[in-house]
Amino acid sequence: NAGVTQTPKFQVLKTGQSMTLQCAQDMNHNSMYWYRQDPGMGLRLIYYSASEGTTDKGEVPNGYNVSRLNKREFSLRLESAAPSQTSVYFCASRGGQDGGTEAFFGQGTRLTVV
Amino acid sequence: RKEVEQDPGPFNVPEGATVAFNCTYSNSASQSFFWYRQDCRKEPKLLMSVYSSGNEDGRFTAQLNRASQYISLLIRDSKLSDSATYLCVVNSANSGYALNFGKGTSLLVTP
Repeated sequence: NAGVTQTPKFQVLKTGQSMTLQCAQDMNHNSMYWYRQDPGMGLRLIYYSASEGTTDKGEVPNGYNVSRLNKREFSLRLESAAPSQTSVYFCASRGGQDGGTEAFFGQGTRLTVV
Repeated sequence: RKEVEQDPGPFNVPEGATVAFNCTYSNSASQSFFWYRQDCRKEPKLLMSVYSSGNEDGRFTAQLNRASQYISLLIRDSKLSDSATYLCVVNSANSGYALNFGKGTSLLVTP
């Protein structure tokens, strides 16, 4: 069972470079999310997509863009990476319409910006 | 103020001990409540949902007090394998039911 798959697992970028983090889920879930996790800060929501064709900003969207390519895929793009974006990034998905269902997470992408 | 607050710990307890974690949330419109567990350098995974009447799953008991906006998790007979970070999670309809995480409480169970 694949669940939520993120690529890449590790990445080192130079300041100013761009990259796209990929996320795909095979559980036919409607909602998908991108979080970042920093020491002492917990998980913070960057962007979310409540359903295919919609995206909305979360708590910390600055410096990021997202695309909900189809129901399965939700990508996160860094247009011009900054050292402050060094973090662990998690993609998650959940089904259901009322928020009471479990969210499943990918294994994370460890990004370092130098 | 963060929407979900937890005592970060760490909690160091011996095997067999009972330990309790507390969590408060600020959004009275919150609708669903969970405890997630996160092992070092791994993704969060659902430990249990929290229901209004309280619920139990083996050695784990979760309680919700909507009036006080307070959630708790009790772990009985702690095992070494319980060592992890426990994340209090709340959501509401405001943000597509996105999960709002506390910063987590670190637990270390020692022999």
